[in-house]
Amino acid sequence: QKEVEQDPGPLSVPEGAIVSLNCTYSNSAFQYFMWYRQYSRKGPELLMYTYSSGNKEDGRFTAQVDKSSKYISLFIRDSQPSDSATYLCAMNPYTNAGKSTFGDGTTLTVKP
Amino acid sequence: KAGVTQTPRYLIKTRGQQVTLSCSPISGHRSVSWYQQTPGQGLQFLFEYFSETQRNKGNFPGRFSGRQFSNSRSEMNVSTLELGDSALYLCASSLWPYNEQFFGPGTRLTVL
Repeated sequence: QKEVEQDPGPLSVPEGAIVSLNCTYSNSAFQYFMWYRQYSRKGPELLMYTYSSGNKEDGRFTAQVDKSSKYISLFIRDSQPSDSATYLCAMNPYTNAGKSTFGDGTTLTVKP
Repeated sequence: KAGVTQTPRYLIKTRGQQVTLSCSPISGHRSVSWYQQTPGQGLQFLFEYFSETQRNKGNFPGRFSGRQFSNSRSEMNVSTLELGDSALYLCASSLWPYNEQFFGPGTRLTVL
């Protein structure tokens, strides 16, 4: 069983929709949680970074962490065609913070 | 501030050869991690360096090695290339090991 499981997708939504992307994890040592966006043939771009349970908002993006359930989510409000990409969740433990474990990614398409 | 840079961007090698990839972190960042990304395995951690010392190593054979220089620039080397080494190799830098990681564009290696 993988340490990090990500909803596989693909997801296809109309422009303006609210998108929910989700990951679960099994390692209780994970303390830092990140969401990356990756466009085709590019490196991952950091969207959100958090280390506590609860919500963190940045513009149209909200990251949610529930450590008791070992569940994290990324919400995208008012989705745009430019949001079409693969979204990766990542997490790492405090003691090995430079070693991130990634989900397999969810490919999102936002249709105009 | 300039982002993470990786050179070369594309490489084509044949089986049995060796290759060296280079990564220049964001100015001031001292931690560098390397990842391999393939369609089948996703993003997998290779190793992490901080202050010229390897802090963590992933589950890759000894053919994969790396180092970090005093200016935080890092190189990774793959010897005796195999077809399965074809992948996007990504470098990520962070200020300290416990901070968020920023990725470069990657080096796409094709082994023929």
